[in-house]
Order: sequence, then structure tokens, then C-alpha cells
Amino acid sequence: QSVLTQPPSASGTPGQRVTISCSGSSSNIGSHYVYWYQQLPGTAPKLLIYRDNQRPSGVPDRFSGSKSGTSASLAISGLRSEDEADYYCAAWDDSLRGRVFGGGTKLTVL
Amino acid sequence: EVQLVESGGGLVQPGGSLRLSCAASGFTFSDHYMDWVRQAPGKGLEWVGRTRNKANSYTTEYAASVKGRFTISRDDSKNSLYLQMDSLKTEDTAVYYCARDYSSETLAPGYWGQGTLVTVSS
Repeated sequence: QSVLTQPPSASGTPGQRVTISCSGSSSNIGSHYVYWYQQLPGTAPKLLIYRDNQRPSGVPDRFSGSKSGTSASLAISGLRSEDEADYYCAAWDDSLRGRVFGGGTKLTVL
Repeated sequence: EVQLVESGGGLVQPGGSLRLSCAASGFTFSDHYMDWVRQAPGKGLEWVGRTRNKANSYTTEYAASVKGRFTISRDDSKNSLYLQMDSLKTEDTAVYYCARDYSSETLAPGYWGQGTLVTVSS
């Protein structure tokens, strides 16, 4: 069981908006920035969102992040087939004195 | 361009040791925090540990699952990061990624290598 809780799967049709949730606690999301990673099949993870809601250069503005209290969300609008991937949230955890990841959400584009 | 290339993976017996390397290029290595993250086959990402940069005395932190068995080190003169893995267990089987912080203000992994596979099996 991961410290950060994500739904194992999500799906949507092209053009739709999907949201992936990430639930934590006061020792991680509640007091530290949240990061989101995209992992396409057979590849290394890629940073998608940093500091809760910031996009690295090159990441389309279809991807957005938000945080409230001890939960965070990743939203993908205008869903495209190439968005089909695993998505992970991450944060620092004060209690564990380490970085923690969510279990990952497999996004399927129908 | 930031490049990270891991090497040293392979098959090792339970109880054995292995040393992974990560060759870095395209940035000033000593300025950055470096992490190791692993992914067991078909599973999610698991943080292994990190080493801070020169300005922060190269201090290290580890996940509880590897503390006391794994050691992270770096050689800034060679732009290289290392992961010494001792007393290996079958549950350490995974692809191991090295990762650099996104920036000096954002210390979470922002750049990743392609990974190297470690298989612990008799």
C-alpha cells in the first residue's frame, strides 16, 4: 500500500477532460509540494507538474495540477490517444523522511 | 541537454551485492541533488534515496526498505552517481532509475535516466 492514494485506473474518450486524484496526509501533501509524473509504456517517468501546479517547458497546457489540503489532482483536458500512460503523484513526507509516490493510475483513452 | 545513463544492472543471487552507476552530462553535476528510484516489474515507482549537492555536504537519505543495505555516493570529478546494494533480497528486483532534481529550487526528480534492470534470484 502506497502512502499516497490514487485510483488504479481512469479512462476517457478523445477530447474529454479527465481528473486523477491523489490523497495523502498532513505529513506529505498537507505540508509539501506535489509532483506529477507521466510514464509512457516502456519508458522512464517524465515530470509533468511540479510545485502543485507548474508545468515544465514543453508540457502542453492541457495538463494542469491543483491541491487542496491533503489532496491533489491532475486534470487532462482535450484527451488524446498519446496521453494513454501511467500517472504518478509524489511528495516529500516528513514522518518517513523521504519521498513518497502514489501507486499510479493507468489512464486508458477509449 | 541533461543526460543520465545508468549501468551495472544484472542478475545477482540473494544475499549478494551489486553496484550501479549513473553517468551524468549536460549540467554542473556538483550543483544538484540526485535520487535513485526503482520500479519492480509491473509495479509502481518507489523512492530509494538521494544525495544532496556539494553545498549541502552531500548528505544522504534512504527509504526504510533499503536503509542499512544500500549506500548512495557520488564522485563529482567524474560526474557520476553510484548505488552500492548489499544483502540483496528478491524483493529488490526492479528497474533502477537515477534522477536529477528539476532545479535548485525544486528538489524533486525532474530528469530521469533510462534505467537499469536488477534481478535478484537464485
